[in-house]
Amino acid sequence: GAVVSQHPSWVICKSGTSVKIECRSLDFQATTMFWYRQFPKQSLMLMATSNEGSKATYEQGVEKDKFLINHASLTLSTLTVTSAHPEDSSFYICSATDTLNTGELFFGEGSRLTVL
Amino acid sequence: KNEVEQSPQNLTAQEGEFITINCSYSVGISALHWLQQHPGGGIVSLFMLSSGKKKHGRLIATINIQEKHSSLHITASHPRDSAVYICAVSGQFYFGTGTSLTVIP
Repeated sequence: GAVVSQHPSWVICKSGTSVKIECRSLDFQATTMFWYRQFPKQSLMLMATSNEGSKATYEQGVEKDKFLINHASLTLSTLTVTSAHPEDSSFYICSATDTLNTGELFFGEGSRLTVL
Repeated sequence: KNEVEQSPQNLTAQEGEFITINCSYSVGISALHWLQQHPGGGIVSLFMLSSGKKKHGRLIATINIQEKHSSLHITASHPRDSAVYICAVSGQFYFGTGTSLTVIP
């Protein structure tokens, strides 16, 4: 099946620094990628939808200047958490759909961010 | 009221039992997804449905578009089925809060 790889799987950083998380589709071209956030014992919260070559669409309440999303190619989207603070600590997950746009979702392994 | 409601929130079953998880939604959808999330966090897409029924191994998913309802069934449950099962709908994406399943040997 299709594979989506996320990196890093976990990261610890100091407050005020920026952290970049990568999401790659390894064996298919992903026109659309999604970024989610998940707090402990809660379900996924969609943060934004990114389409290759265009600006991401952010969900209500998600700060686009805080969570920078870039989808520069059909196989790579990045999420940068800028000036991270402890409240940004969370589990971040990406998913992708293929160019055939069947709508099936393929998920990355997730990235656990801890901001000290 | 959430756009996607799942029940039950938590479920404990004995190994071998037949399990049903329900999902109701209140919005128009292009498809409904059943996802499985293991304790490590990784998520696997189990099914994508727009009508009828799909089966994969011991897992069966059904959807009734008129009633805006879907069910995920697990036959002959096994401890390795222990996970959080999430119902999601697309068109506009909405996620259920998940059902935490524990299967006891």
